[in-house]
Amino acid sequence: QQQVKQSPQSLIVQKGGISIINCAYENTAFDYFPWYQQFPGKGPALLIAIRPDVSEKKEGRFTISFNKSAKQFSLHIMDSQPGDSATYFCAAFSGSARQLTFGSGTQLTVLP
Amino acid sequence: DGGITQSPKYLFRKEGQNVTLSCEQNLNHDAMYWYRQDPGQGLRLIYYSQIVNDFQKGDIAEGYSVSREKKESFPLTVTSAQKNPTAFYLCASSARTENNEKLFFGSGTQLSVL
Repeated sequence: QQQVKQSPQSLIVQKGGISIINCAYENTAFDYFPWYQQFPGKGPALLIAIRPDVSEKKEGRFTISFNKSAKQFSLHIMDSQPGDSATYFCAAFSGSARQLTFGSGTQLTVLP
Repeated sequence: DGGITQSPKYLFRKEGQNVTLSCEQNLNHDAMYWYRQDPGQGLRLIYYSQIVNDFQKGDIAEGYSVSREKKESFPLTVTSAQKNPTAFYLCASSARTENNEKLFFGSGTQLSVL
């Protein structure tokens, strides 16, 4: 059973546009929601993370929006650049179970 | 440089052969993990270890084995029982706190079957 559903599977955006990736979860025990960025042939790296007590977190061009009642969260990349082209994974962590569950990933391509 | 080193970068397995993937970290992290990555399927947990000489099965442990004899090292053996081993394997470690799980990943090993 997939506990974190991520969409879309792939996304193509023009340079300067906004990239939006969505995730939904089922387990209300999740209490920490990170996003990871992975370039081809490399391991994922932590990009940004949020806790459910806030609705939004912004770091530079990257913003997480969090909707606790809907059990959804999303990553927004403003002014998308070709260098942002990568695979993005959302994830959810349960402190009680000490488990990190990943979404299936979104391959983002930003056209020049 | 602090980090996680995986080797080799590429590995080929013959039919019926066991192969071992290396993972070493110098971050002084207690917890270490092995994930398998297949296209379109995200990251699936194979094994994890929270402390030396202890490890637990993840979601897809069948056909794999691990050891954790040293804090710095967490090798993964892909046995002949794993019938579909072709994948990108990622090792990770974490500085565990009570309220989050920040994983640091290595650069991965691509395993292919000859």
